[in-house]
Amino acid sequence: DAGVIQSPRHEVTEMGQEVTLRCKPISGHDYLFWYRQTMMRGLELLIYFNNNVPIDDSGMPEDRFSAKMPNASFSTLKIQPSEPRDSAVYFCASSSGLAGVAKNIQYFGAGTRLSVL
Amino acid sequence: TQLLEQSPQFLSIQEGENLTVYCNSSSVFSSLQWYRQEPGEGPVLLVTVVTGGEVKKLKRLTFQFGDARKDSSLHITAAQPGDTGLYLCAGEAYTGKLIFGQGTTLQVKP
Repeated sequence: DAGVIQSPRHEVTEMGQEVTLRCKPISGHDYLFWYRQTMMRGLELLIYFNNNVPIDDSGMPEDRFSAKMPNASFSTLKIQPSEPRDSAVYFCASSSGLAGVAKNIQYFGAGTRLSVL
Repeated sequence: TQLLEQSPQFLSIQEGENLTVYCNSSSVFSSLQWYRQEPGEGPVLLVTVVTGGEVKKLKRLTFQFGDARKDSSLHITAAQPGDTGLYLCAGEAYTGKLIFGQGTTLQVKP
């Protein structure tokens, strides 16, 4: 398997524009996670899905952020409108279970580095 | 809110030296994971410790989970330049979610 695939790897946009980040999880994994990493706040969980259903979106910073998982092999994280403070590296991860249940591992993609000017 | 504090945040040492990274919390976690992240890549799991007092070894890396399951440490013996990277601890809450520490950036100079 190619692992978790994220696109694009880098995104530079202007404030106010819509940004869409994409993720393809590892085939067969039931859980998909979106994280944001910054120097100030470290790695934060934004939202996670189980079997394509959003389970916990308490980490989504505000209504400008939305995430979807239309099928088991694709998820998007959208920011509309984007702001400079959204600049960060966004990671997608997938696993075949929650660690507490099956001690499964979260596999991370290489991330999307977003710069909002 | 469960928080994990890692220390030190930055560490620059010479090849061959030993080092310890600490991960502390006031909360109890059901397990503690350690990840290593290289520039331009996502974190990769190194180890999971589950039982209070548990010690796991991975070559020159030794991981320990505190007896009360609130803290953990990572000790590297005879560090090598290949150990350079960002080390992250992550506590598993009882909901299954992972709470990450801020990370420790390690630089090992040849």
